[in-house]
Amino acid sequence: DIQMTQSPSSLSASVGDRVTISCRTSQDISDFLAWFQQKPGKAPKSLIYAASSLQSGVPSKFSGSGSGTDFTLTIRNLQPEDFATYYCQQYHNYPWTFGQGTKVEI
Amino acid sequence: EVQLVESGGGLVQPGGSLRLSCAASGFTFSAYWMNWVRQAPGKGLVWVSRINSDGTDTSYADSVKGRLTISRDNAKNTLYLQMNSLTVDDTAVYYCASHRGSGWSIDYWGQGTLVTVSS
Repeated sequence: DIQMTQSPSSLSASVGDRVTISCRTSQDISDFLAWFQQKPGKAPKSLIYAASSLQSGVPSKFSGSGSGTDFTLTIRNLQPEDFATYYCQQYHNYPWTFGQGTKVEI
Repeated sequence: EVQLVESGGGLVQPGGSLRLSCAASGFTFSAYWMNWVRQAPGKGLVWVSRINSDGTDTSYADSVKGRLTISRDNAKNTLYLQMNSLTVDDTAVYYCASHRGSGWSIDYWGQGTLVTVSS
């Protein structure tokens, strides 16, 4: 199975900040990497696919980069609605695997 | 508007069975591959199973292989997860999620249904 390592596991930020979350995979997955946002008690929401492509309706303040084994999610101009847990996920091989999550809090 | 609505969750004893359903609307269900992803209380997301668009090919996480069975009825726009020989480790919110096919990632998620395995 492909192992996913997200860092940090949590971070504190302020409204207006720019935050960066890292995701590393245990083997080369090209760009088969997605990012999801989950708020407490809610279903996940798809943000990014193919490492850097925004899902329909996702604001451009979210951006993704990387390929191979190292990936990054960047959120610009953090707003109150952005405080959530973010997960990366590889879909290069089955079983699909998720990172452990990064909680972005105030 | 795309909607995925799960149902069928509840409390079941260890060793028991349950069948989850996911009703889809707002998109061409028969053209999409579907997944089940679960999340234990306070834990992260774990992929459980996937089925292709016509139901002829499936894939499972090792932890559920032989106990959980994914299926679909394209005429009813519904995805299923038959859950047998349940253990306490299967306690989780179960989400159905769609994706366009091989090489595509999840695009839409349902709201989830809670399965609690306890005596």
